[in-house]
Amino acid sequence: GQNIDQPTEMTATEGAIVQINCTYQTSGFNGLFWYQQHAGEAPTFLSYNVLDGLEEKGRFSSFLSRSKGYSYLLLKELQMKDSASYLCAVRLTNDYKLSFGAGTTVTVRA
Amino acid sequence: DAGVIQSPRHEVTEMGQEVTLRCKPISGHNSLFWYRQTMMRGLELLIYFNNNVPIDDSGMPEDRFSAKMPNASFSTLKIQPSEPRDSAVYFCASSLAALGGRLDNSPLHFGNGTRLTVT
Repeated sequence: GQNIDQPTEMTATEGAIVQINCTYQTSGFNGLFWYQQHAGEAPTFLSYNVLDGLEEKGRFSSFLSRSKGYSYLLLKELQMKDSASYLCAVRLTNDYKLSFGAGTTVTVRA
Repeated sequence: DAGVIQSPRHEVTEMGQEVTLRCKPISGHNSLFWYRQTMMRGLELLIYFNNNVPIDDSGMPEDRFSAKMPNASFSTLKIQPSEPRDSAVYFCASSLAALGGRLDNSPLHFGNGTRLTVT
């Protein structure tokens, strides 16, 4: 089976930076996805990594190390609206589905 | 683009009743997924289809659950009979998946979900 771990909760101050780590142990790998989910809403796609390195998208960046089975999502210049759950998900080789971690709830305080 | 459309948004039913959840994927997408989300177990895959064919139903809890995809624009998830432990948010998602073996960066696009409460 798949084992995807991420911290349960994180708290940060408005304007600060927060880094959400995700480690995975999977049988095969074909990409890692990050999703954002506000309370009571659907998950929405944030980023995708399949090669080692950093992908930057505005205030959000995602990093992947395949050899270490490790990724992080970096949220910069935090805003109150960034308070949400952030889900790490892995796609396996020759598969279509995503296996999700339990999610990290980020609370942004003024 | 209308996105993935699910109905109903909320469903409250009594134990033993049949529940049918509906999903319309994004037009042109070839893969459809049913997930269930609870506080205890997070987001779990129940079943997914590729080109209307069920590929993996290993996540379906038991025989009370069934899913169909009669055409590319419609899918149903049925629970019969329903039980209180089925209470959860059920999400449908779709994607345009690459052919097998190729790098596939296609994300899943989620519908707004159906919040099911079984009393």
